[in-house]
Amino acid sequence: DAMVIQNPRYQVTQFGKPVTLSCSQTLNHNVMYWYQQKSSQAPKLLFHYYDKDFNNEADTPDNFQSRRPNTSFCFLDIRSPGLGDAAMYLCATSRQTSGVYHTQYFGPGTRLTVL
Amino acid sequence: AQTVTQSQPEMSVQEAETVTLSCTYDTSENNYYLFWYKQPPSRQMILVIRQEAYKQQNATENRFSVNFQKAAKSFSLKISDSQLGDTAMYFCAPRLAGKLIFGQGTTLQVKP
Repeated sequence: DAMVIQNPRYQVTQFGKPVTLSCSQTLNHNVMYWYQQKSSQAPKLLFHYYDKDFNNEADTPDNFQSRRPNTSFCFLDIRSPGLGDAAMYLCATSRQTSGVYHTQYFGPGTRLTVL
Repeated sequence: AQTVTQSQPEMSVQEAETVTLSCTYDTSENNYYLFWYKQPPSRQMILVIRQEAYKQQNATENRFSVNFQKAAKSFSLKISDSQLGDTAMYFCAPRLAGKLIFGQGTTLQVKP
């Protein structure tokens, strides 16, 4: 089945130690998103890639970076995690063509714990 | 700023009964998409239903239907014949200004 896969599902890191979360998709969607979701809150968009074009949200901290080496993969890098970065990180994908927006499909998320 | 309001933080319903979750939003856009997503405890966010704003007919997916009132900027979700597996947090998420704007969510508990 076509899907959005996130690895690892659970990640523990130490305060200040860089961490990378990964997302892959078999849907061949051209848009990939990263969201941060804290407990019992709505997901907050960090950034997204439209094909190779990176789009950062204005309030996303510089501590968060992303890479998309190809259509299928996208990575979230947290350069120096703080305690406030502990959250669920959701990857989502969608297919967007000229003038038409298609549904976003979400991965299962990676729960990040910062010690 | 685009805002989405889900005024019911928590709701409960008896199994087999019907429940309606409310959602209102603010926008000056005319053509847009609206979504309801479901997030069960510790599980994946999945799409429940989708509506295009230019369509007057309300979307329906099996036991799930919406009441879309464009002029009132209201987009409520009705769940008929509630099942235990419907227990989850539900997010209303219109796509406005090029991105999904999530409401704060409604936690729905279906009781046996």
